[in-house]
Order: sequence, then C-alpha cells, then structure tokens
Amino acid sequence: EAQVTQNPRYLITVTGKKLTVTCSQNMNHEYMSWYRQDPGLGLRQIYYSMNVEVTDKGDVPEGYKVSRKEKRNFPLILESPSPNQTSLYFCASKGGVAKNIQYFGAGTRLSVL
Amino acid sequence: GQNIDQPTEMTATEGAIVQINCTYQTSGFNGLFWYQQHAGEAPTFLSYNVLDGLEEKGRFSSFLSRSKGYSYLLLKELQMKDSASYLCAVPTPRQLTFGSGTQLTVLP
Repeated sequence: EAQVTQNPRYLITVTGKKLTVTCSQNMNHEYMSWYRQDPGLGLRQIYYSMNVEVTDKGDVPEGYKVSRKEKRNFPLILESPSPNQTSLYFCASKGGVAKNIQYFGAGTRLSVL
Repeated sequence: GQNIDQPTEMTATEGAIVQINCTYQTSGFNGLFWYQQHAGEAPTFLSYNVLDGLEEKGRFSSFLSRSKGYSYLLLKELQMKDSASYLCAVPTPRQLTFGSGTQLTVLP
C-alpha cells in the first residue's frame, strides 16, 4: 500500500531534550516536506526537499533541522525543543504520475513541556 | 507570494448542499487543490483544478475561475461524516500554501 509513515504518532518531551520524528514514503517520490499545524494558523511549511541531499527552508524553519540521505526518508530533528514547538506535525511527499498531489502522513502530535 | 481566504466555519444539515468558497492571490498559478481534514487526522486529497470550470467527482465538485482568483467546493447530499475542515491550497514547485481551512459541521 502506498503511504507516508511518521513515527512516533504522539510524543511528550521536555524543553531542551533532542528528538527526531521520522518520515518514510514507499512511493519513490522525489519531493518531501514537513508542515506544522496550529489552531488559527493552518498548515505551515517547515522544510522541504526536492530530492536526495537537496533541502531548503519553508516558512517556519527556526528551531528545526532536516536531512535527506535517502530518497524514502526525511527525518525532522528538533535539537533543543521549546514549548512553542508544541504542535501537530505532518510529513508529505509528491512525485510520480500524480506529481502535483501531496500525500500526507498520519501526523505526529508533539507536546514540549 | 500567495494569499488565500476562505470562511472559518460553516454549518449545514444532513442531506443538504453546501458551497465552500476560496479566493486566492498568487504570483504564478499552478492550479488549486482542495483537501479534507478530519480533526487530528491527515489532510486527504479531494480535487485539483488547473483549468476553468467545474469538475465533478461523486458527491463532491470543485469549480475554478482563474480570472477571478476564485474557487469553490460543492458538497451534495451531505452526510454526518462530511463534518471536517476543508482546506484550499495553491502550489508552487517548492511548496503547497494552505488557507486556514473551513470547518464544516453537518447537523442531523
């Protein structure tokens, strides 16, 4: 089944403790992206990757890092999480025949205390 | 850049028809998407309009007018499960810019 898989789905952590949210897609898509979703602000892009080893900032990149060493994986790294990074995070990918349609993972709900 | 506007909330009755509007301003047009998102879940693709006109897909239809910077999503024969947020979005090669979403509540 074609899908975008995020882990973990839920995470509670404390300020300053480094964490990684993984994202993997099995559709051989070139493009992958991370979004955060906050009430009243909608979905905002954090980082994106056009292909392996090619990443760039989105609209709200501060406090986040990403890497794209393999085509299928695009982890989101919070080196020193802060409470304002408490949010719902989504990974997405696009490519192939339906190249303009982004497909989203199930989401990761992060709480930083 | 992109600017997208859609109503924050709408309410309709089961079995009715509802139209959710979206207006956009964009520096380069590459089509317009509609996504559905149930609370706490992932956005799921509904439609993608590139050319003017109405595209129908079952109970859902989407309309686009490029000259007016306007789109709407039409939902017919509303069901309780249609209660969700509906997101209008415009793409560039680098990203998908979303509106804030329209929260639709379907009442029995």
